[in-house]
Amino acid sequence: GQNIDQPTEMTATEGAIVQINCTYQTSGFNGLFWYQQHAGEAPTFLSYNVLDGLEEKGRFSSFLSRSKGYSYLLLKELQMKDSASYLCAVRVSGGSYIPTFGRGTSLIVHP
Amino acid sequence: KAGVTQTPRYLIKTRGQQVTLSCSPISGHRSVSWYQQTPGQGLQFLFEYFSETQRNKGNFPGRFSGRQFSNSRSEMNVSTLELGDSALYLCASSLSGTAQETQYFGPGTRLLVL
Repeated sequence: GQNIDQPTEMTATEGAIVQINCTYQTSGFNGLFWYQQHAGEAPTFLSYNVLDGLEEKGRFSSFLSRSKGYSYLLLKELQMKDSASYLCAVRVSGGSYIPTFGRGTSLIVHP
Repeated sequence: KAGVTQTPRYLIKTRGQQVTLSCSPISGHRSVSWYQQTPGQGLQFLFEYFSETQRNKGNFPGRFSGRQFSNSRSEMNVSTLELGDSALYLCASSLSGTAQETQYFGPGTRLLVL
């Protein structure tokens, strides 16, 4: 089976940097997604990593280490609108391409 | 390009009733997946349809079913509703549901079972 762990909740200050970790134990690996979900809204795609390393996209960066089963999402220059749930999802190889989602990390950004 | 749309957005039903939810994928997308999201369990996969065929299925009871039409629109049905079925039901579409592709989510249907 698959096991994906993320912290339940994190708080940070506007303008700061926050790192949201995700660890996974899966039978095979074929990519890791990060999604952002504001309360009452649909998840929106942030990033996709399939190779080791850092992918930077504006204020958001995502890192992957396949050997450690570990990823993080880094948010810089935090804004109040970044308050949302961040979902880590892993796609396993050898069959279905449907990703398995973690329970999400609720990020609260305060002034 | 229009995004994924879901109808209705909100629904209130009572135990024992049945419900049908609808999802229209992004134009050109042929894979549609359904998820149930609850505070306790997070996002859980229900099933995926591609070319009118159920291609993948999660671990949900047979009360949960779905179908896909030739225009890729999909419906899911829940029969004999239980209180625990109260959740946000999300559908997501992608071109063909293969590796490297991103899923795009609709706004969801919030179902409350009383």
